[in-house]
Amino acid sequence: EVQLEQSGAEVKKAGESLKISCKASGFSFETYWIGWVRQIPGKGLEWMGIIYPGDAETTYSPSFQGQVTISADKSISTVYLQWSSLKASDTAIYYCARRATYSDSSAPSKSNWFAPWGQGTLVTVSS
Amino acid sequence: DIQMTQSPSSVSASVGDRVTITCRASQSISTWLAWYQQKPGEAPKLLILAASALGSGVPSRFSGSGSGTDFTLSINSLQPEDFATYYCQQADSFPFTFGQGTQVEI
Repeated sequence: EVQLEQSGAEVKKAGESLKISCKASGFSFETYWIGWVRQIPGKGLEWMGIIYPGDAETTYSPSFQGQVTISADKSISTVYLQWSSLKASDTAIYYCARRATYSDSSAPSKSNWFAPWGQGTLVTVSS
Repeated sequence: DIQMTQSPSSVSASVGDRVTITCRASQSISTWLAWYQQKPGEAPKLLILAASALGSGVPSRFSGSGSGTDFTLSINSLQPEDFATYYCQQADSFPFTFGQGTQVEI
């Protein structure tokens, strides 16, 4: 079964660092783009960035460039999202999602729909 | 970035009704469009890909249409489990922007 399993909820203080994870199983990890999506409670969905684990090619949305770091560890089929200094405004649910279509390289392409999604990680940051 | 505009933001409907949601892209995206369903407390689920193809396991009462800049998601004969929020997403170029969502409520 194709699955993305995310790490558990986090409660942090502003200024602290954090790294959350998304463990993939049931498919060839290196050949599927995986992205991170933010959802502020009660609000819509925002793309943060995506990574191609095969060569670690990463693209960030302008809104999140410099604010977070996305990485991947091929040895354990896991993608990460990390912050060096959290803000209260980072309070949200974070989802990882796999591009539904296989890619044999990190070259940009169309057909960028995503399935499955992880179950989400709630990050709460207090000021 | 490509902007996606959904309407309406919410719709009230009854079981058995037909519901239509529209999504407009700020530039042509051919048929590079997906629709997702999100229920409270759950992750989004892919419903429609390539503007009109049903996702895996999605009931046939869901349908999508459109190309270029204007797209539609229709739900025929609304079922109790369909009450959720629906998002369109352009699949053309990163960032793969979402519409603001349409809440389908009783």
